[in-house]
Amino acid sequence: DAMVIQNPRYQVTQFGKPVTLSCSQTLNHNVMYWYQQKSSQAPKLLFHYYDKDFNNEADTPDNFQSRRPNTSFCFLDIRSPGLGDAAMYLCATSRDMGFAETQYFGPGTRLLVL
Amino acid sequence: GENVEQHPSTLSVQEGDSAVIKCTYSDSASNYFPWYKQELGKGPQLIIDIRSNVGEKKDQRIAVTLNKTAKHFSLHITETQPEDSAVYFCAASRAGANNLFFGTGTRLTVIP
Repeated sequence: DAMVIQNPRYQVTQFGKPVTLSCSQTLNHNVMYWYQQKSSQAPKLLFHYYDKDFNNEADTPDNFQSRRPNTSFCFLDIRSPGLGDAAMYLCATSRDMGFAETQYFGPGTRLLVL
Repeated sequence: GENVEQHPSTLSVQEGDSAVIKCTYSDSASNYFPWYKQELGKGPQLIIDIRSNVGEKKDQRIAVTLNKTAKHFSLHITETQPEDSAVYFCAASRAGANNLFFGTGTRLTVIP
């Protein structure tokens, strides 16, 4: 059964047109993460929510925002996508942030910016 | 911050042979080391992990070793199969930290 679900799997947007990516989880985990993964690179953490507390990585551009309306759902908003934002966006969850907490990844959304 | 280096970047082995992927880390406070397998078009999937209080862990054909003194850890896959072909990422983190620091990945190809 799917535990971390991302929709859509593929998203095409135009340069500068806002886009929202969706993530949901059935694990009831406290923490949800958004990663950006460019081709042939490692995933890079953008931000995470611990419950309702939002934590932004220092080098995440302001163009990227996130919302977590409830435990199950988390959204990634890209306000004005540029060509450099084309990437795979991965959502992950973990039960908590203590010692050795496993992160479970969704299948990702591949974003194409035209 | 933590810096994780991973080698090799690509690895080709014959089916049935063993594959070894090595990672080093810089932060001595790191104490959790997961390995992820990422197939084409999919998200990373955890295949094995090791905590800093353990030197070795094995799960069927997959094993991970950790040398805290040298700050390196390795993934060992024995009796490789074509379905093992994927990109493998090592990572490191420490208790209470929000970030998994990933290595740069190893593309493993198992040749039938």
